[in-house]
Amino acid sequence: LAKTTQPISMDSYEGQEVNITCSHNNIATNDYITWYQQFPSQGPRFIIQGYKTKVTNEVASLFIPADRKSSTLSLPRVSLSDTAVYYCLRSGSARQLTFGSGTQLTVLP
Amino acid sequence: EAQVTQNPRYLITVTGKKLTVTCSQNMNHEYMSWYRQDPGLGLRQIYYSMNVEVTDKGDVPEGYKVSRKEKRNFPLILESPSPNQTSLYFCASSLKESLLGTPPRTDTQYFGPGTRLTVL
Repeated sequence: LAKTTQPISMDSYEGQEVNITCSHNNIATNDYITWYQQFPSQGPRFIIQGYKTKVTNEVASLFIPADRKSSTLSLPRVSLSDTAVYYCLRSGSARQLTFGSGTQLTVLP
Repeated sequence: EAQVTQNPRYLITVTGKKLTVTCSQNMNHEYMSWYRQDPGLGLRQIYYSMNVEVTDKGDVPEGYKVSRKEKRNFPLILESPSPNQTSLYFCASSLKESLLGTPPRTDTQYFGPGTRLTVL
């Protein structure tokens, strides 16, 4: 099974940058790293995806070092509405996808 | 509007009474899958389908059936529901990964709104 390890929870304050790290020591050559965000009682929503180095979009950045054994999701200047569970996912061509337990991010005023 | 729809959104049933949760997507996606979500266990994949008439087991397929007769629909069938199948269920779809480039790109999944099932 494609397994990742993330912190169970993190707290932050509004306006701060938040970095959530995911460990994926056994990542396969074909695996991408994908991050999803989930609010209570809603389906997960795609945030960002990358293979190596750095990827940036309008909501986040994703840093993947050369060995690809870990990745870091960076959320700039979080707000209260960013309080959610964030999932790191290894996704390769096999399509049998395994979500980890996710990281509960709580943004405080 | 591009979306994944599920029906029903809420269902309370009794042990052993067969039920079907429908899932439909209007994005012409080849890939569809079902997940269940339980407190403390995160999302676990039940079944997935790479295309019409092609289905395969995920992590927790026991007690579930699926079918993929049409590209847009991927129903989840519980032939004899039991209380341990009480859960929040999500359907998802995505484009089949592109085979261009190395490695093949994995396309992002679009999730439905969820179906909350209670089996008494």
